Parts: sequence; C-alpha cells; structure tokens
Amino acid sequence: SQKIEQNSEALNIQEGKTATLTCNYTNYSPAYLQWYRQDPGRGPVFLLLIRENEKEKRKERLKVTFDTTLKQSLFHITASQPADSATYLCAPLGAGSYQLTFGKGTKLSVIP
Amino acid sequence: DTGVSQDPRHKITKRGQNVTFRCDPISEHNRLYWYRQTLGQGPEFLTYFQNEAQLEKSRLLSDRFSAERPKGSFSTLEIQRTEQGDSAMYLCASSSWDRGNREQYFGPGTRLTVT
Repeated sequence: SQKIEQNSEALNIQEGKTATLTCNYTNYSPAYLQWYRQDPGRGPVFLLLIRENEKEKRKERLKVTFDTTLKQSLFHITASQPADSATYLCAPLGAGSYQLTFGKGTKLSVIP
Repeated sequence: DTGVSQDPRHKITKRGQNVTFRCDPISEHNRLYWYRQTLGQGPEFLTYFQNEAQLEKSRLLSDRFSAERPKGSFSTLEIQRTEQGDSAMYLCASSSWDRGNREQYFGPGTRLTVT
C-alpha cells in the first residue's frame, strides 16, 4: 500500500536559519507533489505544487525539490521566522487522481 | 469571495445521535472534497464531488456516513448513529478543475466530539 513518511514529527530551529523538511513515499509514482501548511485548529493552506518533470520550484522564501528516483521531496524555508511555526504536510498526487493522501506532517517551531 | 466555509465549527453530540455538517465551497469551484483528521495525523480522504456527482468514496466512509451536493453548490455530510471513534475534525475543500488546477482550498473544519 502507499506510504508517505515525513522525516520527523517535530523540528526546532533558530530564527534566521533554513528549515529543511523531508517527505518520502513508497509504492507510489505521483505526478505531482503538494505541500500545505496547517496551523492549530485550522484547515491546511496550499503552499506549493511541483510536477514530476520539475526538479525545483521556488516561491519567495520557499523552495521545493522533487526526486522521483529517490522518491523524495524536500521543502526548504530560508531565513525562517517565528511566524513560520506550523505543521507542514506533504501530499503526493497521481496523474489522474483528485484525492490527496497526506503524510502525518512535521511540526516546525522557529525559536526567536 | 470569502473562501470555503463550514458550519458548525464545533459540534458535541452523544453517542447514537445523528449529526449533519455543511460546507460552502468557493463559488466557481466545481470539485468538492471531504476529509477527516484526527489528532497527530494528516487529513484522510473521505469522498469527493464533481458538480453534483459523487465520483469517489473512501472505504473509510462506512454506511453510517452519507454526503450530498445538491445542484452542485453546497455539500452536506451526515453521520448517523455516531460512535466515539467518529470524533475528529471534518474538513471540506474545493478546487477548480479548469486549467488543470490541482491545489485544494480548505475550510476551517468542523470539530466533532462524540461523548
């Protein structure tokens, strides 16, 4: 069955540093991979989507990579700020699929 | 446009009672999804609609659960004979299939507590 693993349940980093979150998947060949942010008690918010033929995608301080050989996506937040503290969810998506399958998420805490 | 809205935001019910949740998607979105999220887990897919047609249902959606989307606008999710294991956050999302958009826009969720 499909399995999605996010590297750790919690990640603490110092303000100003780069946060790197990992998403690994098995028994899956997604055409897309999405990243969402979720704050406590709220619904997920879409951040970035990367396609299987793209190696890297950037949006402001965010960068996502997608390695279909390693079956892995990395999500980077540069110059992290306390406001970036949240849970980050990855969600691979098949080419003809519409339902998102999420990992458990990584709770990021940026310490001032 | 104010985004996806859900009502109620919180619901406490006794085991065995029926509950109904409502979701209003972003107005121009033709796809609507329901997910369930328990503490420490990512959202799990339940079902989705394209316009008024329910196209896919997860095996998580037992026969006590039913969803509708009359006229392809708002949607309702009903749980009959609630059980304590139904306690979770129920999330609704919508998307526009035009231009092949894949991102989904989530509502704030309805937190259900079954006592």
